[in-house]
Amino acid sequence: DIQMTQSPSSLSASVGDRVTITCRASQSISTYLNWYQQKPGKAPKLLIYAASTLQSGVPSRFSGGGSGTDFTLTISSLQPEDFATYYCQQSYSSRTFGQGTKVEIK
Amino acid sequence: EVQLVESGGGLIQPGGSLRLSCAAPGFTVSGNNMNWVRQAPGKGLEWVSIIDNTGRTYYADSVKGRFTISRDNSKNTLYLQMNRLRAEDTAVYYCARVIIYDGGDYFDYWGQGTLVTVSS
Repeated sequence: DIQMTQSPSSLSASVGDRVTITCRASQSISTYLNWYQQKPGKAPKLLIYAASTLQSGVPSRFSGGGSGTDFTLTISSLQPEDFATYYCQQSYSSRTFGQGTKVEIK
Repeated sequence: EVQLVESGGGLIQPGGSLRLSCAAPGFTVSGNNMNWVRQAPGKGLEWVSIIDNTGRTYYADSVKGRFTISRDNSKNTLYLQMNRLRAEDTAVYYCARVIIYDGGDYFDYWGQGTLVTVSS
């Protein structure tokens, strides 16, 4: 089974900060990597698929990159509505989520 | 507009059975791949099962042999039959539509979730 490891598990940041979350796969997954945002009590929301393709309607301050085993999600200028938990997910072999990264207000 | 509406959750004793439903007004379940994802209280997301548009099904090892995913095309509804439930199956269960591209896939629309609590 492919394991997905996110870092950090949580971070504190201020509005306007640039934030980067890392996701590492236990084996190469090409670019079969998706990112989701989840707010408390709500369903996850798709942000990015295929490692770097922005889902329709998602603000351009979100971007994704990477291939193989190492991936990043970057928020260029953190907004109040971006405080949430973020999950990566691979679809190369079955499907596995990372453990999540909680972005909190500093 | 794509909508997914889950139902069927509740409190069930260990060893019991429950069937979750996911209605999909706005699009055709049979023409799409569909899946279930769960989230234990305070924990992360765990993929559970998928049914593709040909009817093939796949499961996470943690539920294989106990859970069955299916759909009723006449009702445009996705189901998850859960048998021999365990305390560790306690979670919010989400249904989600699966979009396939170039060998990979992603989940673009999600329901609001239904809570299953397995406890005596």
